[in-house]
Amino acid sequence: EADIYQTPRYLVIGTGKKITLECSQTMGHDKMYWYQQDPGMELHLIHYSYGVNSTEKGDLSSESTVSRIRTEHFPLTLESARPSHTSQYLCASSEWLGTQYFGPGTRLLVL
Amino acid sequence: KQEVTQIPAALSVPEGENLVLNCSFTDSAIYNLQWFRQDPGKGLTSLLLIQSSQREQTSGRLNASLDKSSGRSTLYIAASQPGDSATYLCAVEMDSSYKLIFGSGTRLLVRP
Repeated sequence: EADIYQTPRYLVIGTGKKITLECSQTMGHDKMYWYQQDPGMELHLIHYSYGVNSTEKGDLSSESTVSRIRTEHFPLTLESARPSHTSQYLCASSEWLGTQYFGPGTRLLVL
Repeated sequence: KQEVTQIPAALSVPEGENLVLNCSFTDSAIYNLQWFRQDPGKGLTSLLLIQSSQREQTSGRLNASLDKSSGRSTLYIAASQPGDSATYLCAVEMDSSYKLIFGSGTRLLVRP
């Protein structure tokens, strides 16, 4: 069982609010990822990190930002939420060239 | 640009049947291929990882094969059970970017 956690699991918020989705892992993995997935649709990589102070944009353009100040923590922030941000956000981590372990996801609804 | 395709998109089988899910990729320069399972509204659970130098991996009733040169992988599920119902995703990790490229998945329903 992988130890990767996401909070909150569900979030309903109004337009214009700032939100931070938390992701933490206790496995000491250098690599961490954020994916966005609409119901029944494909996963899209929006951010990834190879280690502390490393962040890269993924394949899908996103208005969110990330930070990696500690190995175990990779939060995602939306400065001003909009209805188009409604989706499921999945965090994952891995060793180099190893299995990716996923968190349970955060389901975001922006009204 | 790497493209990962999964066929079929959906599959419905009676309990007890053996089945094969297919995954193909266009660029053979991969480090590994991973198979995941996703239940509705949940995260992904890793099933099997095959390194590019390997031909197959087995875990319980699951067997995954990899033919890197032809850009194909199969996931074989023996004696399917209703609890196997989920979406199955394959993904390849590229040696140029260390990122996973996902297929769109196969939705499996095993009928009691």
